[in-house]
Amino acid sequence: AQTVTQSQPEMSVQEAETVTLSCTYDTSESDYYLFWYKQPPSRQMILVIRQEAYKQQNATENRFSVNFQKAAKSFSLKISDSQLGDAAMYFCAYRRGNYGGATNKLIFGTGTLLAVQP
Amino acid sequence: SQTIHQWPATLVQPVGSPLSLECTVEGTSNPNLYWYRQAAGRGLQLLFYSVGIGQISSEVPQNLSASRPQDRQFILSSKKLLLSDSGFYLCAWSKPRGRYGYTFGSGTRLTVV
Repeated sequence: AQTVTQSQPEMSVQEAETVTLSCTYDTSESDYYLFWYKQPPSRQMILVIRQEAYKQQNATENRFSVNFQKAAKSFSLKISDSQLGDAAMYFCAYRRGNYGGATNKLIFGTGTLLAVQP
Repeated sequence: SQTIHQWPATLVQPVGSPLSLECTVEGTSNPNLYWYRQAAGRGLQLLFYSVGIGQISSEVPQNLSASRPQDRQFILSSKKLLLSDSGFYLCAWSKPRGRYGYTFGSGTRLTVV
């Protein structure tokens, strides 16, 4: 079974600095997708970034980028120029590739709580 | 564009009372639908998911049930609430293909007193 591990329960970063959140996963599949979700204090889950496993190029969305190491099964999130609004719980997630049906669920890590210090 | 609506936003219910939380999706057809529960400061626990009308799969045994009476409607219910049912409940939808993540509703904060 696939698993997602976030080994950092909490992280802290100074405003305007850069922080990296770690995520590792375990799978025997070759076709899959990886996601980072942000959950601010409002508790609304927001998709931050997505990575296709078949792409070697790391995904980037403005100040958010990932370091995808497929062989190491690692998928870290880098937040540059951290802002107070980045303070949130961040969840890493995995989903198998183009399979329909009941088995294709999004598997979440346990989350990393990021604090941004002014 | 697709939207997901979840209500109510907050709910305070006495122990032993019934529960009904509703979630609807607009702008898509035949979505996969999910109910999650989240305790304060904790991760997401998948409760139920559905890949079609009347098709419900339960992830954990509990005091709750789910139904999907229409293609884009997903309901979480309980006949008698327990204190342990308190939490934050999130509904989500996705397309069946793996390249799509989930889109979440805004959540319901349930307090059982």
